[in-house]
Amino acid sequence: GIQVEQSPPDLILQEGANSTLRCNFSDSVNNLQWFHQNPWGQLINLFYIPSGTKQNGRLSATTVATERYSLLYISSSQTTDSGVYFCAGGDSGNTPLVFGKGTRLSVIA
Amino acid sequence: DTEVTQTPKHLVMGMTNKKSLKCEQHMGHRAMYWYKQKAKKPPELMFVYSYEKLSINESVPSRFSPECPNSSLLNLHLHALQPEDSALYLCASSQDEGGTEAFFGQGTRLTVV
Repeated sequence: GIQVEQSPPDLILQEGANSTLRCNFSDSVNNLQWFHQNPWGQLINLFYIPSGTKQNGRLSATTVATERYSLLYISSSQTTDSGVYFCAGGDSGNTPLVFGKGTRLSVIA
Repeated sequence: DTEVTQTPKHLVMGMTNKKSLKCEQHMGHRAMYWYKQKAKKPPELMFVYSYEKLSINESVPSRFSPECPNSSLLNLHLHALQPEDSALYLCASSQDEGGTEAFFGQGTRLTVV
């Protein structure tokens, strides 16, 4: 099955800083999602982005399907952005989402 | 409405107990999933139901028994669990199996004592 690798594993930012999280996947995907997991465990949908670029407020994401990677950009980070960011992909066989190991983000004031 | 509702939010059970986790969605989605997440690990797939039929079982022990009574409901029946089964259990749904956006519930945090 598909393998999903995320980097960096941990990231500490000063409030107001920008960051880029990366997700590499081992095979072509027809489903690629970014999630934010809050401290209570809820997985919050950030982007459904099997290809192209999307923006939502301070967050944006780009997936380059031909090169098998996706990027999540966080601008002007806030303490409420802290948590774990997961990338998850499903391959062209319509397989369910496979999660990367996540990036643990801490934003300090 | 993109809500998946799971109950209960927290559950403590003994190793001889029988309990059930429940999941409900009203988005008309035809695929529903159970994932298990241990502390500081990513979610791992357990089961997939597609059009109310079990389509994937990721070699999950028989002490976990899924059930899909109708297209909106998904249950996970628990029996004779071990302490190592303590985890966050997440339910998800999507329009179809694979390839469409999945939405997750808030999870049930299970502790087996």
